[in-house]
Amino acid sequence: AQRVTQPEKLLSVFKGAPVELKCNYSYSGSPELFWYVQYSRQRLQLLLRHISRESIKGFTADLNKGETSFHLKKPFAQEEDSAMYYCALTGPQGAQKLVFGQGTRLTINP
Amino acid sequence: DAGVTQSPTHLIKTRGQQVTLRCSPKSGHDTVSWYQQALGQGPQFIFQYYEEEERQRGNFPDRFSGHQFPNYSSELNVNALLLGDSALYLCASSLDTLFLYNLDTEAFFGQGTRLTVV
Repeated sequence: AQRVTQPEKLLSVFKGAPVELKCNYSYSGSPELFWYVQYSRQRLQLLLRHISRESIKGFTADLNKGETSFHLKKPFAQEEDSAMYYCALTGPQGAQKLVFGQGTRLTINP
Repeated sequence: DAGVTQSPTHLIKTRGQQVTLRCSPKSGHDTVSWYQQALGQGPQFIFQYYEEEERQRGNFPDRFSGHQFPNYSSELNVNALLLGDSALYLCASSLDTLFLYNLDTEAFFGQGTRLTVV
């Protein structure tokens, strides 16, 4: 079965502190992994995907196939990072359905 | 480009009624997917339309049906509404491709339609 687990519903850190949002997945095969973000009153948007290997807004995520994880990290949190973050996966071919985790609400305290 | 647009933004219906939600995809996109997002949950895949046909379906009952038009816009219909159907309904559009790991397959989401069933 395809499943994405985000163990933390809420995460609160201080500005300038490191951030790590956890994501574990279950998938038989080679999935494509994503992080989506939803800022207040905005639509859900793609933050990054593992195949692009980019760093977006200072965030990075490494796919660990052994631990079936795709944790999102940022060394120094900024107040504008406060948002809802969703980890998601899809099959490797084409525009397939996305399977989302429950999401983590990240709050950056000043 | 207005991106993905959904209408209406909010809707209140009574149990047993039927509802139709609409979605216009981002310009150049040919694939539309619908998701249901209950309060406090991540989006759940309902179905996906490509070339005016349902290509994939999630674990939703037949009360949920859809349609895609030649201009790629789409409708989601829900019959015999239940209280549990109250949720945010999201539409996502993308460009279909057969290429593995194609960076153009990013899904763009609309703002959603908030459906309340009373």
